[in-house]
Amino acid sequence: AQSVAQPEDQVNVAEGNPLTVKCTYSVSGNPYLFWYVQYPNRGLQFLLKYITGDNLVKGSYGFEAEFNKSQTSFHLKKPSALVSDSALYFCAVRASYGGSQGNLIFGKGTKLSVKP
Amino acid sequence: DSGVTQTPKHLITATGQRVTLRCSPRSGDLSVYWYQQSLDQGLQFLIQYYNGEERAKGNILERFSAQQFPDLHSELNLSSLELGDSALYFCASSSREGGYTDTQYFGPGTRLTVL
Repeated sequence: AQSVAQPEDQVNVAEGNPLTVKCTYSVSGNPYLFWYVQYPNRGLQFLLKYITGDNLVKGSYGFEAEFNKSQTSFHLKKPSALVSDSALYFCAVRASYGGSQGNLIFGKGTKLSVKP
Repeated sequence: DSGVTQTPKHLITATGQRVTLRCSPRSGDLSVYWYQQSLDQGLQFLIQYYNGEERAKGNILERFSAQQFPDLHSELNLSSLELGDSALYFCASSSREGGYTDTQYFGPGTRLTVL
């Protein structure tokens, strides 16, 4: 089955500390992985994606993600968190088979809270 | 701002009614996708159109239908509405036919409330 798991409903971080939002995936074939962020009452904003190549992917707003094939993980990271990073973060994988082939399968989301 | 626009922002209606949600993709994008976000189901893919033709179908109810017009805007029609249809409906667009490496850019969403 194709799926994405975000094991933490909420992550709390102090401003200035590094943050990690976890994501694991299950998909047949090569994984194509994405991170999106959703601010309150807003749509999803694209942060970064992994297609192939370097396992460390850099994205918008200082975020990066590390692809680990052996652990089937794609964790989102940022070296120094900002209060403005507080939002809902979604990991997604491209469906590789089935009627919705090629479209995004999302995790349930992780709420990131950064305290001053 | 992703460049994808959706109208209306909010929609309040009654059970049994029919509504139409509209989406305009980013300039130049040929693919339009519809997703539903609800508290119990999370974000789920509904349907995709590419240059006017249906390309993929996800968990879309038979009461729901969509189309993409020659000017590439898309409409999602929801009929015989039930309380459980209350959700945030997102439209996304991408430049190609939904290739695996394509990035989907999301609109701000339409919040549907069924009373």
